[in-house]
Amino acid sequence: DGGITQSPKYLFRKEGQNVTLSCEQNLNHDAMYWYRQDPGQGLRLIYYSQIVNDFQKGDIAEGYSVSREKKESFPLTVTSAQKNPTAFYLCASSSRVEETQYFGPGTRLLVL
Amino acid sequence: GDSVTQMEGPVTLSEEAFLTINCTYTATGYPSLFWYVQYPGEGLQLLLKATKADDKGSNKGFEATYRKETTSFHLEKGSVQVSDSAVYFCALSDPPPGADGLTFGKGTHLIIQP
Repeated sequence: DGGITQSPKYLFRKEGQNVTLSCEQNLNHDAMYWYRQDPGQGLRLIYYSQIVNDFQKGDIAEGYSVSREKKESFPLTVTSAQKNPTAFYLCASSSRVEETQYFGPGTRLLVL
Repeated sequence: GDSVTQMEGPVTLSEEAFLTINCTYTATGYPSLFWYVQYPGEGLQLLLKATKADDKGSNKGFEATYRKETTSFHLEKGSVQVSDSAVYFCALSDPPPGADGLTFGKGTHLIIQP
């Protein structure tokens, strides 16, 4: 069954802590993306990667970091520098030949 | 830069009513246009898309036509069901060279009452 998985479904962060959100896809897609969703704000692009070992900042990259060591995986770290991390985080992927992005189920990050 | 504007809602309709959710866009190039649907607590699912002017995307009774002259991509359905209750996002793909990602509207919350 092909698709995108994100874990965990809910994540709690303490003050000053870094947390990592997982995103895995078995669609053989080259490109992967991270978006942040806030109520009434739509989705905003955090980082994207078009190929393994390469990634680019999106519109709101400050306070976040990513890696792309494998084609299937694109983890997002929310660092302590991100002062307002509470949001719903969505991972997506797409192929080279199609612009359509396919989304995972999301991770909701809450601050304790 | 590129942008997408859509009616924010909530939009409340009775079952079997006709649905229109307006979406207009600004883009520097020739974008592809998308409608995504999000059910509570879930990720986004592609509903339909159109890649060039006058194309009509359709899926599950929903339709949208790419209108270049009015820069619009309005979503329509002839008879809505309670199960259509969700948030609908209009989006475009028109990245400048070397960039990537979709530009989304803020979403329209649709509520269908039995």
